[in-house]
Amino acid sequence: NAGVIQTPRHKVTGKGQEATLWCEPISGHSAVFWYRQTIVQGLEFLTYFRNQAPIDDSGMPKERFSAQMPNQSHSTLKIQSTQPQDSAVYLCASSPSTGGEQYFGPGTRLTVL
Amino acid sequence: GDSVTQTEGPVTVSESESLIINCTYSATSIAYPNLFWYVRYPGEGLQLLLKVITAGQKGSSRGFEATYNKETTSFHLQKASVQESDSAVYYCALGAPQTGFASALTFGSGTKVIPCLP
Repeated sequence: NAGVIQTPRHKVTGKGQEATLWCEPISGHSAVFWYRQTIVQGLEFLTYFRNQAPIDDSGMPKERFSAQMPNQSHSTLKIQSTQPQDSAVYLCASSPSTGGEQYFGPGTRLTVL
Repeated sequence: GDSVTQTEGPVTVSESESLIINCTYSATSIAYPNLFWYVRYPGEGLQLLLKVITAGQKGSSRGFEATYNKETTSFHLQKASVQESDSAVYYCALGAPQTGFASALTFGSGTKVIPCLP
């Protein structure tokens, strides 16, 4: 079991550019979560999917951020027109349909210059 | 909204001494949240240390224990004898109980634990 895979591990973008982050959940897990971690705000929930359907995006900034889960093997988090305040570590987690534990990926460190 | 407050780190503790990391929560929309401790060891990803979903119950793992106290809304993490290998950042978290499914987690700010030679 490879665990949750996130790519890329590091991404540097210029202000105003687009960034797409990828997450491959553990095979067989039915839920995928996205979180963001910064020094100032800590670990914040962004959005999650269950059986590929969006369930809760209450933590997502309303502008520029979007997430999709086109199939059960991957999810993407897209940030349009990136800003320096978007710099953070973005964590993806998956969870099986029972138990409730979330298994986290290594994260993608996004740096916006 | 919901929130979690935990001991501000870093916490330096002598090896073989006891450790306690305080965690209190406020769950305005959840009567009985699920409570978790996650840990991040150096160079590794965030992983579940222990969880308790029933008030009054205790969870334990790797020598750590935490008891779900609904009266004091607390979920303190304790270990009787800290080892060098316990060097990590510990996060307290809560989530809404959902039958059979995970829910979004609200995390505390994390507590870095630094064991030192006695």
